[in-house]
Amino acid sequence: NAGVTQTPKFRVLKTGQSMTLLCAQDMNHEYMYWYRQDPGMGLRLIHYSVGEGTTAKGEVPDGYNVSRLKKQNFLLGLESAAPSQTSVYFCASRGGNTEAFFGQGTRLTVV
Amino acid sequence: GESVGLHLPTLSVQEGDNSIINCAYSNSASDYFIWYKQESGKGPQFIIDIRSNMDKRQGQRVTVLLNKTVKHLSLQIAATQPGDSAVYFCAENLYSGNTGKLIFGQGTTLQVKP
Repeated sequence: NAGVTQTPKFRVLKTGQSMTLLCAQDMNHEYMYWYRQDPGMGLRLIHYSVGEGTTAKGEVPDGYNVSRLKKQNFLLGLESAAPSQTSVYFCASRGGNTEAFFGQGTRLTVV
Repeated sequence: GESVGLHLPTLSVQEGDNSIINCAYSNSASDYFIWYKQESGKGPQFIIDIRSNMDKRQGQRVTVLLNKTVKHLSLQIAATQPGDSAVYFCAENLYSGNTGKLIFGQGTTLQVKP
């Protein structure tokens, strides 16, 4: 039982490049989330999903897109990376109105 | 608006003392609150939670208090240990209308002095 797995763990992008971060959970959870965490700050919600095929905007959705084609996977896409998107990205999932389980994070640097 | 904030960015305590970390929330529709601990380089880990129909919940060495009147949440850690040094976040679940939206505060760094 791996829980929540994020791929990749580290990535360096050039400005304007695109990439997709993958989050996979094996707990059959309905809800999944993408957060970003910047130094000295808390976690800010980018997008989330309350079930397969659904997505919703969080607090800081601009510059990101998401997809939830399969219940166990939640993808976060950056179409044209900017230095302001340098951050640590965390994925989380939960079964309902309960605690969320987090992945170990993806450290993204945009140069 | 929707926001969860913490009163103090850093808390320094002596080993063995009790720690109290505070959190203010602004959305009266929030029905569930969670405290997380985050160690350097790791993802947040669940500590304890409380639902809006309760005002106190206890775990092992931790207690969460909820005051809905003033929209305030606190985490109490008894007999603080060096291993408790971390950043602590409160999270607020905006479950009304089945949104499932989970919002985090900025975090408080807890430093435990030996």
